[in-house]
Amino acid sequence: GQQLNQSPQSMFIQEGEDVSMNCTSSSIFNTWLWYKQDPGEGPVLLIALYKAGELTSNGRLTAQFGITRKDSFLNISASIPSDVGIYFCAGQNTGNQFYFGTGTSLTVIP
Amino acid sequence: DVKVTQSSRYLVKRTGEKVFLECVQDMDHENMFWYRQDPGLGLRLIYFSYDVKMKEKGDIPEGYSVSREKKERFSLILESASTNQTSMYLCASMRGLWDEKLFFGSGTQLSVL
Repeated sequence: GQQLNQSPQSMFIQEGEDVSMNCTSSSIFNTWLWYKQDPGEGPVLLIALYKAGELTSNGRLTAQFGITRKDSFLNISASIPSDVGIYFCAGQNTGNQFYFGTGTSLTVIP
Repeated sequence: DVKVTQSSRYLVKRTGEKVFLECVQDMDHENMFWYRQDPGLGLRLIYFSYDVKMKEKGDIPEGYSVSREKKERFSLILESASTNQTSMYLCASMRGLWDEKLFFGSGTQLSVL
């Protein structure tokens, strides 16, 4: 199955800093999704994007659906300790077909 | 809130044992999924089911089987566990094939010795 290229693999940042991560694919997707996984838990959906060029915010999180439909970006502003976790991108075309990135592990240093 | 419950958080089994991982969702969702999560590999689909008694292979079905006798319950079976099946297993459900929101359980960390 297809895997998405997600970068960076890990990040160590100071509390209050902004964070950027991205995801690229060799194929186009109809929907891009961003999930967060807290330690010891399953992933939880943060943002869903449905249209090329779309920019969507959820609190301090902002995500964009790339114009080419082959990439997506997630930004977190003014990071706080509870932002710690693994962030996954996912692309979806139809129904059951989700393709996940390899994850970005975020550590926030107080 | 949607709740997807996996019966065990941690399991330790021996090579060759038959292992059952259970998952229950309480939202009457049509679709249920089993993923495997390994460091650096992300989530890989093992099997999914779009209806009772229906199942489809995902990307890595070898060594696994599934059972969906009731809509709310989806079981993953390792017929003869091997050490390379040591992993985190995540169950997920989704309302219908038109939807995009996957709801995940907390995961089962399986160690095969």
